[in-house]
Amino acid sequence: DAKTTQPPSMDCAEGRAANLPCNHSTISGNEYVYWYRQIHSQGPQYIIHGLKNNETNEMASLIITEDRKSSTLILPHATLRDTAVYYCIVRAVGETSGSRLTFGEGTQLTVNP
Amino acid sequence: NAGVTQTPKFQVLKTGQSMTLQCAQDMNHNSMYWYRQDPGMGLRLIYYSASEGTTDKGEVPNGYNVSRLNKREFSLRLESAAPSQTSVYFCASSAREGTYEQYFGPGTRLTVT
Repeated sequence: DAKTTQPPSMDCAEGRAANLPCNHSTISGNEYVYWYRQIHSQGPQYIIHGLKNNETNEMASLIITEDRKSSTLILPHATLRDTAVYYCIVRAVGETSGSRLTFGEGTQLTVNP
Repeated sequence: NAGVTQTPKFQVLKTGQSMTLQCAQDMNHNSMYWYRQDPGMGLRLIYYSASEGTTDKGEVPNGYNVSRLNKREFSLRLESAAPSQTSVYFCASSAREGTYEQYFGPGTRLTVT
């Protein structure tokens, strides 16, 4: 699995867009980028994933660079409830080895009023 | 649509006692997982069930057993609890094995004294 690098912490004002970067320079052609978050004392929450095209759902948008070496998760209008640790992981879909999720250090996003 | 539910939310055991953690999902998912999360250790996969009727060991299976009771339910049993099993336990499910779009329950916080 490709290694990912994220900033340890970020701040964002409530109502503004939160842009969380992730570097994955060793990503392979068959690997997807997944984003999860974990709000304190809660279970991890799947947010979005993508291969090479930009993706959007009701929670967020995922922008993947053309060379696929980095990506940005965008929360368009951050709220206080978006304060959490955000994890970017890279995995090849279809591998049948337990689909084990492992999280690195992630980015602690703090949304300020 | 409750997603993934877990019981109990909290539990305190004495060393040597046994207990079963229950997990159920209502998303008609084929695959289910049990993880533990310790401070500073991240998520670790204990056991998983790729489909109804199958179970496999994950990264840290020692001291645990699982049962895939039916498509909805996947239980985790500690036969003889040890202080090293003090952790937060998360159950997750996905549509099928090989996908990393997993949906997590709220967790069970277990303390073994």
